[in-house]
Amino acid sequence: KAGVTQTPRYLIKTRGQQVTLSCSPISGHRSVSWYQQTPGQGLQFLFEYFSETQRNKGNFPGRFSGRQFSNSRSEMNVSTLELGDSALYLCASSVQGYYEQYFGPGTRLTVT
Amino acid sequence: QKEVEQDPGPLSVPEGAIVSLNCTYSNSAFQYFMWYRQYSRKGPELLMYTYSSGNKEDGRFTAQVDKSSKYISLFIRDSQPSDSATYLCAMAGTASKLTFGTGTRLQVTL
Repeated sequence: KAGVTQTPRYLIKTRGQQVTLSCSPISGHRSVSWYQQTPGQGLQFLFEYFSETQRNKGNFPGRFSGRQFSNSRSEMNVSTLELGDSALYLCASSVQGYYEQYFGPGTRLTVT
Repeated sequence: QKEVEQDPGPLSVPEGAIVSLNCTYSNSAFQYFMWYRQYSRKGPELLMYTYSSGNKEDGRFTAQVDKSSKYISLFIRDSQPSDSATYLCAMAGTASKLTFGTGTRLQVTL
């Protein structure tokens, strides 16, 4: 069974721009969660989508948003990029959510 | 104070040693406890998960949860150089949101 895929793998953007990241979950998984990983803060939860609805949200500003499509694929969008948004963005999928989450390889975003 | 505390290491051990990795937490609502392994420039890989207190064994890996002490451990027996990675503990309550420790970097030397 194919794992979680994320595109693109690397991105370089300029402050003030916006960016969209994509995640394709494992087949049959309906829950997709997004995390931000930085050296200083570690892995932090952004939000989770289940059956096209946002079910949980972390403590990130409204510039971070996401959505999920009927095929469970998910996108996250960051508007008005700041230097501090430079991070590895990880997507994880699971059947129902909760504990058994499987991660993709991540998208490394650099904001200059 | 962070909800989950984990010693960042680095922890260096010789090949064949038993490795002990630990996390403490403060949120009594956590019921699910996970260990992930992350190699450099890769996403985290789920190693083991445990519900509530107790032990769970899978090959060379043993996970222990002591909810009364709010303390979880991962033991790696007969450690190999391929075990060199960052190990992350993660926890969840009733919501589908994982709270991670900062990770412990492990180096297994020949």
